[in-house]
Amino acid sequence: ETGVTQSPTHLIKTRGQQVTLRCSSQSGHNTVSWYQQALGQGPQFIFQYYREEENGRGNFPPRFSGLQFPNYSSELNVNALELDDSALYLCASSQSGSSYEQYFGPGTRLTVT
Amino acid sequence: AQRVTQPEKLLSVFKGAPVELKCNYSYSGSPELFWYVQYSRQRLQLLLRHISRESIKGFTADLNKGETSFHLKKPFAQEEDSAMYYCALRFTGTASKLTFGTGTRLQVTL
Repeated sequence: ETGVTQSPTHLIKTRGQQVTLRCSSQSGHNTVSWYQQALGQGPQFIFQYYREEENGRGNFPPRFSGLQFPNYSSELNVNALELDDSALYLCASSQSGSSYEQYFGPGTRLTVT
Repeated sequence: AQRVTQPEKLLSVFKGAPVELKCNYSYSGSPELFWYVQYSRQRLQLLLRHISRESIKGFTADLNKGETSFHLKKPFAQEEDSAMYYCALRFTGTASKLTFGTGTRLQVTL
């Protein structure tokens, strides 16, 4: 059984640019959630995807968008990057239903300069 | 709005001493509470959830609805318990969104 993987591990972008982060869910999981973790803070929910549809969104602007593919992998896209977008972005996968545990990936560290 | 508060950024205890990591929450409905742990250079992982009422690695946590608390306890701290601990809340909505606290770093020293 393969765990949740994320790519890239680190990246550096310039303010105003766009970025795409990728997540492969754990085998058997059809739900993916994305979280942003700023330095010294706990993870903050961005949104969740279930069967290729957005299934809930946190308090993030529309320039944060996502996709889920038929194989349940997912992308997080951020447009018009701002300095405050610098953070660790975590992906978590789970089976459908709120009773199931979310399994987290190692994260992608994004630095915006 | 739901909120999770972990008042201590750092808790330092001696090996063998009791541990209590505090977590308070605000939520108007019936919450589901969790503790997540992140060991050095490892990913975030679930430690325990209140509905299962388990003891994992000697840790327990009791949901106190009257005090809106879900403190994590262990009677005797071990060196390997040193890690970052996050309390999290989930409500049964359209998404199983987790709301996390800011975390407490537990440092167990000899």
